Amino acid sequence: KQEVTQIPAALSVPEGENLVLNCSFTDSAIYNLQWFRQDPGKGLTSLLLIQSSQREQTSGRLNASLDKSSGRSTLYIAASQPGDSATYLCAARSSNSNSGYALNFGKGTSLLVTP
Amino acid sequence: EAQVTQNPRYLITVTGKKLTVTCSQNMNHEYMSWYRQDPGLGLRQIYYSMNVEVTDKGDVPEGYKVSRKEKRNFPLILESPSPNQTSLYFCASSFRRNTEAFFGQGTRLTVV
Repeated sequence: KQEVTQIPAALSVPEGENLVLNCSFTDSAIYNLQWFRQDPGKGLTSLLLIQSSQREQTSGRLNASLDKSSGRSTLYIAASQPGDSATYLCAARSSNSNSGYALNFGKGTSLLVTP
Repeated sequence: EAQVTQNPRYLITVTGKKLTVTCSQNMNHEYMSWYRQDPGLGLRQIYYSMNVEVTDKGDVPEGYKVSRKEKRNFPLILESPSPNQTSLYFCASSFRRNTEAFFGQGTRLTVV
């Protein structure tokens, strides 16, 4: 069964810093990997999707990479802002029909950006 | 606006009283699914649907039912809710099973 791990569990940085969030997964049989943002009591907002054949995706100050062979993905946030404070979740979409093509989520990294 | 809409957003109910959480998407997506989110356990898939009239169990289906009579709607039914079903529920949809997933705003359910 796919296991997704996110490190660190929590992170506090001063405004303006660049930071990296890490995600690892145990089963390389994935369609894609998706990064989400979750604000307290709110839904999940999709940030970036990387297909299994891709290495990188960028959106504004966000850059996500994928190394399927080593089971790793990183989310890079440039010039962090207080508004970036949230929990960041990575999810690997299984390509295995036995798993229902489920999104397998990590437990998230809680990010706090201080002014 | 393209979105996944869940209702209600908050619900407090008593043990054994049947309830339905609705989910609707306006993006003509084929694949829909339900997840629950619990502290320490993360998000886990309850049920999914590949298309109209095609549904199947996810990782934690016990105590839940679903139906997919129309492409846009995928309700989650709790026939006899119990306190261990207290959780935050999310509906998600994607165009196909291997494309970007979009989530609803969540339904916080408390069963007393």
